Amino acid sequence: ETGVTQSPTHLIKTRGQQVTLRCSSQSGHNTVSWYQQALGQGPQFIFQYYREEENGRGNFPPRFSGLQFPNYSSELNVNALELDDSALYLCASSLAGLKHTDTQYFGPGTRLTVL
Amino acid sequence: SQQGEEDPQALSIQEGENATMNCSYKTSINNLQWYRQNSGRGLVHLILIRSNEREKHSGRLRVTLDTSKKSSSLLITASRAADTASYFCATDAGLNFNKFYFGSGTKLNVKP
Repeated sequence: ETGVTQSPTHLIKTRGQQVTLRCSSQSGHNTVSWYQQALGQGPQFIFQYYREEENGRGNFPPRFSGLQFPNYSSELNVNALELDDSALYLCASSLAGLKHTDTQYFGPGTRLTVL
Repeated sequence: SQQGEEDPQALSIQEGENATMNCSYKTSINNLQWYRQNSGRGLVHLILIRSNEREKHSGRLRVTLDTSKKSSSLLITASRAADTASYFCATDAGLNFNKFYFGSGTKLNVKP
């Protein structure tokens, strides 16, 4: 167990709806990253938050947004859901700072299905 | 794209044999990490190797890094059925220390 938790485990939404996924980081970790993993593919970097500020973003549209809270838990919000948003969403926490890389610890993921 | 790519895409071996997976990437990195994923669940961190390191060991795992060839390999010795999983390498984005790129993974099947 990595100490990183995600909720919910599974979620079914319809096209056009909005969804919020939650992640609780490992204790003491100040950095959280979110990834999207389509079936049969590797995880794709969505964005990262460091001390409540966005610190890097992948090639995802603005309808993917995030928040990191003072206790370092975080949310991923996706608006106007599309069928292609169906995927496993993973969060990963680490102690990495702005100029430092450290091991990322992943949560079990949230499986999102968009109908 | 800087994305790491694993090779082979799939590997099937007998229990007790060694398994070798390779990862290639395109631009300079600060470090490279290997992860394991069982059946669409969360990723488990195996080893992080920094750009100034050439080899690291952890139990039955051995990782090498050749920055001149922009490649890494993961060796699992004396494999077990429990090693059956997908294995991914993740590279960081050079100056952007905390942006990671994953390949599509190697699916390892260890037959008992």
